[in-house]
Amino acid sequence: AQRVTQPEKLLSVFKGAPVELKCNYSYSGSPELFWYVQYSRQRLQLLLRHISRESIKGFTADLNKGETSFHLKKPFAQEEDSAMYYCALNGGSARQLTFGSGTQLTVLP
Amino acid sequence: DAGVIQSPRHEVTEMGQEVTLRCKPISGHDYLFWYRQTMMRGLELLIYFNNNVPIDDSGMPEDRFSAKMPNASFSTLKIQPSEPRDSAVYFCASSSGPMHEAFFGQGTRLTVV
Repeated sequence: AQRVTQPEKLLSVFKGAPVELKCNYSYSGSPELFWYVQYSRQRLQLLLRHISRESIKGFTADLNKGETSFHLKKPFAQEEDSAMYYCALNGGSARQLTFGSGTQLTVLP
Repeated sequence: DAGVIQSPRHEVTEMGQEVTLRCKPISGHDYLFWYRQTMMRGLELLIYFNNNVPIDDSGMPEDRFSAKMPNASFSTLKIQPSEPRDSAVYFCASSSGPMHEAFFGQGTRLTVV
C-alpha cells in the first residue's frame, strides 16, 4: 500500500526565514512524487514534481529514497507563500494519486 | 479548455436529502478522481475512473455514496441520504495518465445541516 505522511498540520514562519515542509512516503516501488499547493479560495494546483528537478517560486524538493522523504524547501519565505501544501505520491502500478493530509503554511510579516 | 468544471460551487442541504455533485473533466483526459477535503483528514481519494470505468472505490466511506461516469465528459458523485458529517469540500480532478499531473476543479463546498 502507498502512503504519504505530512507530520505538521500547521507551520508558521516569519517572512524571510527558511521553510521546510516535511513529507515522508511509503511505497515499495519507484514512486513519482509531487507537491500541490492550494492558495486561499483557489483550486489545488501542481507546484512541482520530483522528476522535473525544477525550482518553482523558489521552492525545491529532493527525493531521498534512503529516508523515503520528499521535503519541500524554500530559503526565504514570502507572505504570498501562505497556503495549504499537499505532498502526493503516484505509484505506477497502483495508478492513483495519494495525498498526504496537508500542511497549512502561514508566513508572518 | 476551461479546466475541470464542478457544479455547484456551494450546496447547503438538510440531513436526509439527496445530494448530487457534478464534474466535467478536461477533454482528452481519461482519468477522473473524486476527492474529499476536510480539516481533520485532509484530502482523501474517494474513487477514480479510467476510461469511464470505476477502478478503485475503496475510499468511498459508505453505501450512501455512489459515483458514476456515463461518458467521458461527465461524472457525478451522489450522497443519499446525506448526513452532517458529510460536510466537506469535494474535489474532482482529471489527468491524461496515471503518472501525469492531476488538474483539479474549484471544488464543491457541501454543508449538510
